[in-house]
Amino acid sequence: DIQMTQSPSSLSASVGDRVTITCRASQGISNYLAWFQQKPGKAPKSLIYAASSLQSGVPSKFSGSGSGTDFTLTISSLQPEDFATYYCQQYDSYPRTFGQGTRLEIK
Amino acid sequence: QVQLVQSGAEVKKPGASVKVSCKASGYTFNSFGIGWVRQAPGQGLEWMGWISAYTGDTNYAQNLQGRVTMTTDTSTSTAYMELRSLISDDTAVYYCARGVYSDYWGQGTLVTVSS
Repeated sequence: DIQMTQSPSSLSASVGDRVTITCRASQGISNYLAWFQQKPGKAPKSLIYAASSLQSGVPSKFSGSGSGTDFTLTISSLQPEDFATYYCQQYDSYPRTFGQGTRLEIK
Repeated sequence: QVQLVQSGAEVKKPGASVKVSCKASGYTFNSFGIGWVRQAPGQGLEWMGWISAYTGDTNYAQNLQGRVTMTTDTSTSTAYMELRSLISDDTAVYYCARGVYSDYWGQGTLVTVSS
């Protein structure tokens, strides 16, 4: 199985900050990576697919990059509604593993 | 608009089975597969498996093999996930999601396993 490791596990930031979350795959997955945002008590929301393609309706403050084993999600100009938990997921092979999540908190 | 609407919360005893439904609307059902993901209380997301709505082919997480069955009914645009021989560790919110990119998600179904 491909292991997905996110860092950091938690992150404190202020409104207006720019933050970057990293996701590392245990083996190469090309660009078969998605990012999701989840708020407490809600279903995950798709942000990015194919490592860097923004889902329809997702604001351009979210951006993704990377290929192979190392990927990043960057969120610019943080707003209160951006404080949530973020997950990466690989869909290169089965099982479709998730990272453990990164909790983004308000400083 | 695309929607995935899941069935309601369930309370089951250990050893029982549960079947969660996921009714799709707003798109051609058999053009996308359905993935199932669960989330235990306070934990991260766990991928459970995938079913092609076109062929019915499935792929399950190894730790659930033998206990889980995913099916679809194209006549009603509904996907189903059945989990058998429930244990307390199966207590979780269960989600369905559309397609390879999981671009749309159901609202979640809480399954509680308790004696």
